[in-house]
Amino acid sequence: DGGITQSPKYLFRKEGQNVTLSCEQNLNHDAMYWYRQDPGQGLRLIYYSQIVNDFQKGDIAEGYSVSREKKESFPLTVTSAQKNPTAFYLCASSKEWESTEAFFGQGTRLTVV
Amino acid sequence: SQQGEEDPQALSIQEGENATMNCSYKTSINNLQWYRQNSGRGLVHLILIRSNEREKHSGRLRVTLDTSKKSSSLLITASRAADTASYFCATVNSGYSTLTFGKGTMLLVSP
Repeated sequence: DGGITQSPKYLFRKEGQNVTLSCEQNLNHDAMYWYRQDPGQGLRLIYYSQIVNDFQKGDIAEGYSVSREKKESFPLTVTSAQKNPTAFYLCASSKEWESTEAFFGQGTRLTVV
Repeated sequence: SQQGEEDPQALSIQEGENATMNCSYKTSINNLQWYRQNSGRGLVHLILIRSNEREKHSGRLRVTLDTSKKSSSLLITASRAADTASYFCATVNSGYSTLTFGKGTMLLVSP
């Protein structure tokens, strides 16, 4: 089955720790995205990548980092510099950079304890 | 920054009724898309309408786009309890190609 897989589904982090969220797709899509979703705020773009070995900051990149070493993978690291990391994180991919529909993973819920 | 704003924020209807959600946006767009999200899950693409289109249908969904008013509407006809979800509009702006989402409309369809 083609799709986009995020893991883990739930993640707990102690304050001051870095954590990495996984996102893998087997759709052969060029573009990948990370969004953050808070209650009542909709989705906000953290980082995006149009092609392997290239990525760009979105609207709320501070405290996050990404890599795109393989076409299939776009992991997101939530660093200790992120002041309020508790949120629902969604990864998405699209076939082309412009104008096409996005396919979403099932999300990772991160809680800082 | 968020481009689209959905209205209403929440909508409660009975099965069989039609549900209409509206989306307004601020800048010129390449296309506008509607997504659905069940509670605690990822988003699912429903329909895409390009800036040169005025209306599009997909099953029980009808989307309209008025670029002069910078607004779109999503109509779900003959609603079912399974349509209960949050619905988001997202725009791809002219010259800037990431999706920008609104805050969504929560739809509750009661049996």
